[in-house]
Formats: sequence, C-alpha cells, structure tokens
Amino acid sequence: DTGVSQDPRHKITKRGQNVTFRCDPISEHNRLYWYRQTLGQGPEFLTYFQNEAQLEKSRLLSDRFSAERPKGSFSTLEIQRTEQGDSAMYLCASSLGVGATGNEQFFGPGTRLTVL
Amino acid sequence: TQLLEQSPQFLSIQEGENLTVYCNSSSVFSSLQWYRQEPGEGPVLLVTVVTGGEVKKLKRLTFQFGDARKDSSLHITAAQPGDTGLYLCSGNAGNMLTFGGGTRLMVKP
Repeated sequence: DTGVSQDPRHKITKRGQNVTFRCDPISEHNRLYWYRQTLGQGPEFLTYFQNEAQLEKSRLLSDRFSAERPKGSFSTLEIQRTEQGDSAMYLCASSLGVGATGNEQFFGPGTRLTVL
Repeated sequence: TQLLEQSPQFLSIQEGENLTVYCNSSSVFSSLQWYRQEPGEGPVLLVTVVTGGEVKKLKRLTFQFGDARKDSSLHITAAQPGDTGLYLCSGNAGNMLTFGGGTRLMVKP
C-alpha cells in the first residue's frame, strides 16, 4: 500500500498527558499537512510542511501543539498537557506540490484521540 | 475568511433515487475538490475541478464547477447503499484546503 499512513489509529489518554502521532506521507510527495476534524464537521487546517520546513500554522495550533518533519519524510504531531477539548480525529494529508495536480491532497486514515 | 457552505447537511433517500448536493462560497477558488469519507476513515478524493463551468463525470457521479468558480454541485444518479457516506467539498486557499461542513448521505436499500 503506497498511500498515506498514520499511527496509531486510536489513542485514549488522560487529561494532562502528552501524546504523539506519526504520519508517513506518499513517498514522492514533498508537502505534508495536518488537519483536525471534530464530529459532524469538516477537517480544519492545522499546519503544513514543504519538505522539512514548516511553512504555515493555523491559529488553532496552540503552544501545546508542535509538529515536526525532521528529514522531509515522516512527520510527528505532539500535543502536550492534553485537554478534553483536544478530543478529535487528527488527519494527515500529502501532496506532490508541483505540476497540474500538485495541490491535490491525499489523506491518511486518521488518528482518533480521546482525552478522558 | 473563505467559507464553504454545503447543503443539505443530511440526506436520506431510497436506493435508485437521484440526488444533488451543493457547495457554495462567496470566495473564488483556484480549484475545488470533492471527497467522500466513511466513519472512522480519512477523506478519499473523488475529483478536482479547476475551470469555471467544468463538468466531470465519475460513473454515476457528475460534478460541476460554477462559472465564477465560487460554487459546485455533485449529482448522483440511481444512488446505491454503497454511496452512503459524508461528502465534503474543499477549496484551495493558498496551500491549504478549506472544507465545508459536509453532506451526510444515507442510501437505504
């Protein structure tokens, strides 16, 4: 399977704990995106990387959230001191970044976070 | 803020019926995508429309991009239970996607 993969698929944690999610994009894609989706809503943009550079961050990304893409391949999203309001599906997407279809984003299966 | 509004929010129909869902905005988008999402999974890209007035067909699904590139529609002919899911439209806003709230479709056998 050469699609976007995310790990873990589900995470249950207690309020105040730190969690880290991983995303492996499609191998030739140089752009990687993180989105958050709550029940009944469309995904909301969090941040995006062009290779290893984090180029854009949403104001939704509070200082408890940090994302990295150290080698321009996989990315991690860490949430520190989780709160119940962080409960959501965290989606990762990647795109080629060049060419006529370079902006088409392909999504992974998501990580469902539940904060108790 | 570029806002995409989708209608209807919910749609429940019988197998074999036709339906149309809409995606509207006051903003112009360079391109617009339609995704389908099943519970517990990520959105799956169905189509990208780029040119105003463009019509694309994907089997029983017909997608149209408005002339002014502010709105789009998705028409499904002879819906099947396998079409059940959340249909999301999204527009390119710079390098990120702005999503509508989705239309949740249920097709009953």
